[in-house]
Amino acid sequence: EDKVVQSPLSLVVHEGDTVTLNCSYEVTNFRSLLWYKQEKKAPTFLFMLTSSGIEKKSGRLSSILDKKELFSILNITATQTGDSAVYLCAMAYTGTASKLTFGTGTRLQVTL
Amino acid sequence: KAGVTQTPRYLIKTRGQQVTLSCSPISGHRSVSWYQQTPGQGLQFLFEYFSETQRNKGNFPGRFSGRQFSNSRSEMNVSTLELGDSALYLCASSLERSDTEAFFGQGTRLTVV
Repeated sequence: EDKVVQSPLSLVVHEGDTVTLNCSYEVTNFRSLLWYKQEKKAPTFLFMLTSSGIEKKSGRLSSILDKKELFSILNITATQTGDSAVYLCAMAYTGTASKLTFGTGTRLQVTL
Repeated sequence: KAGVTQTPRYLIKTRGQQVTLSCSPISGHRSVSWYQQTPGQGLQFLFEYFSETQRNKGNFPGRFSGRQFSNSRSEMNVSTLELGDSALYLCASSLERSDTEAFFGQGTRLTVV
């Protein structure tokens, strides 16, 4: 059975800290790994990773995939209160664009 | 360009009733997927439609069904509602390309009483 496991489940940090969120997976027919940020309702797309070892970066956020060890990390540097959200990791499969298997998410709270 | 639009945003129904939710994808997107999100189970895949055909289905009972129209808009129907169907129902649309990503709507919050 396909599994996507995120850790930690929740995290409280102070503004300015750097955080690392983890996502490990066991899936068949892996195509890509996606990261989403969910603040209230709609998950918003952050990154899609397909190849190992290639870092994707957007501002203070970055992510990398290790297809050999079957995990990905999402780094957020210089955290801000606006980064408080649930971060979701999801797997996409070969043969279909849109069927995603999600992890349970990491709830990040950034305090002043 | 406009994002994924879901209607209604909120819905309260009684056990045993049926409900229809609507999703309009981003213009040009041909694939629409539906997800159920609950505190206990997280985000779970319901089904995916492309060119009016269901391509994938998750592990949900037959009470959950959907369809897609020629303009790519999609509807999801739940019949004989149960209390456990209370959830946030999210729709996502994507292009049909090898490196596509899915964009989500704001969801419909369904409460079954």
